[in-house]
Amino acid sequence: GENVEQHPSTLSVQEGDSAVIKCTYSDSASNYFPWYKQELGKGPQLIIDIRSNVGEKKDQRIAVTLNKTAKHFSLHITETQPEDSAVYFCATQTGANNLFFGTGTRLTVIP
Amino acid sequence: NAGVTQTPKFQVLKTGQSMTLQCAQDMNHEYMSWYRQDPGMGLRLIHYSVGAGITDQGEVPNGYNVSRSTTEDFPLRLLSAAPSQTSVYFCASSYQDRPDTEAFFGQGTRLTVV
Repeated sequence: GENVEQHPSTLSVQEGDSAVIKCTYSDSASNYFPWYKQELGKGPQLIIDIRSNVGEKKDQRIAVTLNKTAKHFSLHITETQPEDSAVYFCATQTGANNLFFGTGTRLTVIP
Repeated sequence: NAGVTQTPKFQVLKTGQSMTLQCAQDMNHEYMSWYRQDPGMGLRLIHYSVGAGITDQGEVPNGYNVSRSTTEDFPLRLLSAAPSQTSVYFCASSYQDRPDTEAFFGQGTRLTVV
């Protein structure tokens, strides 16, 4: 089955700096790569996603890049703000609806 | 719009007890699923359903049962609770015929088995 690895597990940045979270996956059939943000006491919420026919996608301060050959994808957050502090999960999907999640990154933005 | 609603939010069980975690969605999504979240392990799929009357096992199904009698509801049953089932449980839903679209999650149920 799919194996998704996520790094780092914790990340602290100064407000205004950039944050990068990286994920690798094992199943070459994976074709959908969403990123979820989980705030304390809440369920995960989709913040950005990318499909296998796209190499990069950007939404304001958030961007995701995908390298299908190397089987890795990354989340980039620029100009970080305190409200970006949360746990971030990458995930993959292989055509069916089932998602396979990474182990999460706890991002802390220091004011 | 309520989205995905889970009840209860918190529950403490004794070893051997049974209980049902409730999940309901009002978005007419065919696909529903249950995940458990444990520290350092991300979210792992327990069971899922692609429509009323159809269920299947995910990565970690042992000790859990599900049923899907309506499109809206997808309860998760713990048959005989064990301390290893202490976790945070999340229900999610999405459109079945559009797999690469957003999955909506409930707020979670924090379960402690003592």
